[in-house]
Amino acid sequence: DSGVTQTPKHLITATGQRVTLRCSPRSGDLSVYWYQQSLDQGLQFLIQYYNGEERAKGNILERFSAQQFPDLHSELNLSSLELGDSALYFCASSPGTGGLGEQYFGPGTRLTVT
Amino acid sequence: GENVEQHPSTLSVQEGDSAVIKCTYSDSASNYFPWYKQELGKRPQLIIDIRSNVGEKKDQRIAVTLNKTAKHFSLHITETQPEDSAVYFCAASAGNQFYFGTGTSLTVIP
Repeated sequence: DSGVTQTPKHLITATGQRVTLRCSPRSGDLSVYWYQQSLDQGLQFLIQYYNGEERAKGNILERFSAQQFPDLHSELNLSSLELGDSALYFCASSPGTGGLGEQYFGPGTRLTVT
Repeated sequence: GENVEQHPSTLSVQEGDSAVIKCTYSDSASNYFPWYKQELGKRPQLIIDIRSNVGEKKDQRIAVTLNKTAKHFSLHITETQPEDSAVYFCAASAGNQFYFGTGTSLTVIP
């Protein structure tokens, strides 16, 4: 157990809908990262937050947004869902601002868009 | 942006043999290179990492080498065991962004 929690574990929804994925980092970690893992694309970095502020942005679609709250948990919002958004979404946390050092991954949320 | 390529995509070895997975990166500013192991249905877990000021790092049966000039780094697993079977991801980081390779599915045949 990495200490990072994600909810829900599974999510099934229809195209066009909006969902929110939640992540609680390890106690004391200030950085939260979001990743998308599809079968054909490996792990894609989406976005990073550090202590409530966005620090880095990767291949995140405009239909996706995220935020980190004062208690350091983070939410990833996915809207206007398409079939291709079906994937495993991981969040990870680390103590510092990132770039160096281990990231601890949560168990993931499996999103299925039908 | 950074582009990380990983080879091979699948690898089968006999138990006890060595396995080598190679990655290349494009951004010379990348300075941190972790390797993650992901077992089926589980989360990625860091197994070893290396920083750009080091050429090689070893941890028991696992080692990583880095060639900054050629922009490539490799994972070496010696004396492979069936529990080493998993998907392995390399990554490169420049600043706060992490770029992952597409993964190598390693199967160790008993």
